[in-house]
Amino acid sequence: EADIYQTPRYLVIGTGKKITLECSQTMGHDKMYWYQQDPGMELHLIHYSYGVNSTEKGDLSSESTVSRIRTEHFPLTLESARPSHTSQYLCASTGTGRDGYTFGSGTRLTVV
Amino acid sequence: AQSVTQPDIHITVSEGASLELRCNYSYGATPYLFWYVQSPGQGLQLLLKYFSGDTLVQGIKGFEAEFKRSQSSFNLRKPSVHWSDAAEYFCAVGVESNTGKLIFGQGTTLQVKP
Repeated sequence: EADIYQTPRYLVIGTGKKITLECSQTMGHDKMYWYQQDPGMELHLIHYSYGVNSTEKGDLSSESTVSRIRTEHFPLTLESARPSHTSQYLCASTGTGRDGYTFGSGTRLTVV
Repeated sequence: AQSVTQPDIHITVSEGASLELRCNYSYGATPYLFWYVQSPGQGLQLLLKYFSGDTLVQGIKGFEAEFKRSQSSFNLRKPSVHWSDAAEYFCAVGVESNTGKLIFGQGTTLQVKP
């Protein structure tokens, strides 16, 4: 079944650690997105990609980085985690504008 | 600049009552329009979408939405709310078909009273 997967679902990590949040989709979508969302709050676009080797920063400044080496894979990396990075991170993909996004289940990150 | 406004941050309705969640957008042409639902700790699930044709669209879970061009609105409705409908609801607008980027509203939290 075509879907989008995020791992891990929950992560508690110490300050200063490097972490990578995984996002993979099996739908062959060219466009992928990362959003940051605090509990009960709006979504903020932090990164997006229109295809392999294409990455762009979103509307909200983020210390994270992304890569897009394969169509299906769009990982997000934090080189040095800080408590201010504590949030939920949502990955999404789409084929065309009129399809809307398919979202993953999210990764809830806590930095202690 | 394009924008999406959900005027109601929090709504409480009784189970079995009707529901209407408001969404207004600012854009020169007719955009693609979406409603998503998010349960606590989960990702967003697409309820319904509109990009052309009949302005009343049906979605999953018994929801419907009506596009009104004159009011730049895309309000979500359900005739009879169930306790399981308690969640966060997001309206979204797609304004660039080649990029697929969506602009999301701030969200409306729906609480359902027994």
